[in-house]
Amino acid sequence: GAVVSQHPSWVICKSGTSVKIECRSLDFQATTMFWYRQFPKQSLMLMATSNEGSKATYEQGVEKDKFLINHASLTLSTLTVTSAHPEDSSFYICSARGNPLEGQETQYFGPGTRLLVL
Amino acid sequence: AQSVTQPDIHITVSEGASLELRCNYSYGATPYLFWYVQSPGQGLQLLLKYFSGDTLVQGIKGFEAEFKRSQSSFNLRKPSVHWSDAAEYFCAVTSGSARQLTFGSGTQLTVLP
Repeated sequence: GAVVSQHPSWVICKSGTSVKIECRSLDFQATTMFWYRQFPKQSLMLMATSNEGSKATYEQGVEKDKFLINHASLTLSTLTVTSAHPEDSSFYICSARGNPLEGQETQYFGPGTRLLVL
Repeated sequence: AQSVTQPDIHITVSEGASLELRCNYSYGATPYLFWYVQSPGQGLQLLLKYFSGDTLVQGIKGFEAEFKRSQSSFNLRKPSVHWSDAAEYFCAVTSGSARQLTFGSGTQLTVLP
């Protein structure tokens, strides 16, 4: 149980284009989904937290107009990198969590999406 | 502010040897603690977690961890390492009203044949 998928697993795009990454919880309802960015040889950096049906909460320094997050259902969240530039190239990982009020405190992670912007 | 420290950036052990990865946290309330493992180019897999109760928790793949409140530590152990255990290991604690994870910087494990 507690499987999270991400699609695509890798994507190459031209500078200036937009890229959408999907994150799905396959066997549980995700009240909250988190988006992280990871640079080589580094830990995960939280970008934003999104609750189903609400606007995402972005971490300081993360441009909300550049990284659009939608969490329209309890099983799907999307991250859209708008007008991507080479500096946006990175490994993006999502995680999903159930309802902590019901004791569901664990975040389950997707396999990640490697983005390369040329 | 909450923080997690993994003092060992890189550890090398021989296959069959025992392993201990250190993790110290700074958190005002009772923490929820996690260990995750990440293979190259992959997402994170949950090894084990501690919320309350017995301070020695068992996880998958033969790993265990012990919560020591007096030392603010949650060290990960395995009695006999396998070559497939080579990976990056992250300790994490939840914090904030949104229960966000705060990660340590990770420990890279190399296993020698």
